Amino acid sequence: TQLLEQSPQFLSIQEGENLTVYCNSSSVFSSLQWYRQEPGEGPVLLVTVVTGGEVKKLKRLTFQFGDARKDSSLHITAAQPGDTGLYLCAGPPSAAGNKLTFGGGTRVLVKP
Amino acid sequence: KAGVTQTPRYLIKTRGQQVTLSCSPISGHRSVSWYQQTPGQGLQFLFEYFSETQRNKGNFPGRFSGRQFSNSRSEMNVSTLELGDSALYLCASSSREALVGEQFFGPGTRLTVL
Repeated sequence: TQLLEQSPQFLSIQEGENLTVYCNSSSVFSSLQWYRQEPGEGPVLLVTVVTGGEVKKLKRLTFQFGDARKDSSLHITAAQPGDTGLYLCAGPPSAAGNKLTFGGGTRVLVKP
Repeated sequence: KAGVTQTPRYLIKTRGQQVTLSCSPISGHRSVSWYQQTPGQGLQFLFEYFSETQRNKGNFPGRFSGRQFSNSRSEMNVSTLELGDSALYLCASSSREALVGEQFFGPGTRLTVL
């Protein structure tokens, strides 16, 4: 079973601060995705990273995929209250299909 | 394009009953996956259907079953409900042409078992 471990489990910061969320595994993933989920809603896909060493930017969010494709990070610059939510990393096993393995999630609270 | 829809949004059942949840994928998406989300276990994969065939299955007991219709709509059924089945059940759809594993989630059905 391929597991994804996220850290930290919970982050509380003030508006304007930066934060980084980590997603680690002992296994190689063909790709990794980051989702954000708000209370009472389903996860919303933020980005997919596919190539080892890849860096993708989405406004104030920067996503990195490790060179060995075993880890990923999400960095938010100048966080805003609208960034509050549960951040989840997920990856498909190397086999085909759409089965996703999710990390435990990082709950982010950005206080105004 | 309309997103993934799930019905009902909320459901309350008692132990021993059975329940059927419904999911309508994004138009043109042929893959539908189901996940269970609980505070303790997080998001766990239940099963995936593609063109009416179960393509992947997670580690859940046989009380959990599903099916997909020719229009790609999917249902999941849980029989003999247990207290531990209380969870948010999420459905996700994916297009065959999309990046591998890229899925779009519905808002979920919140099931409470009393």
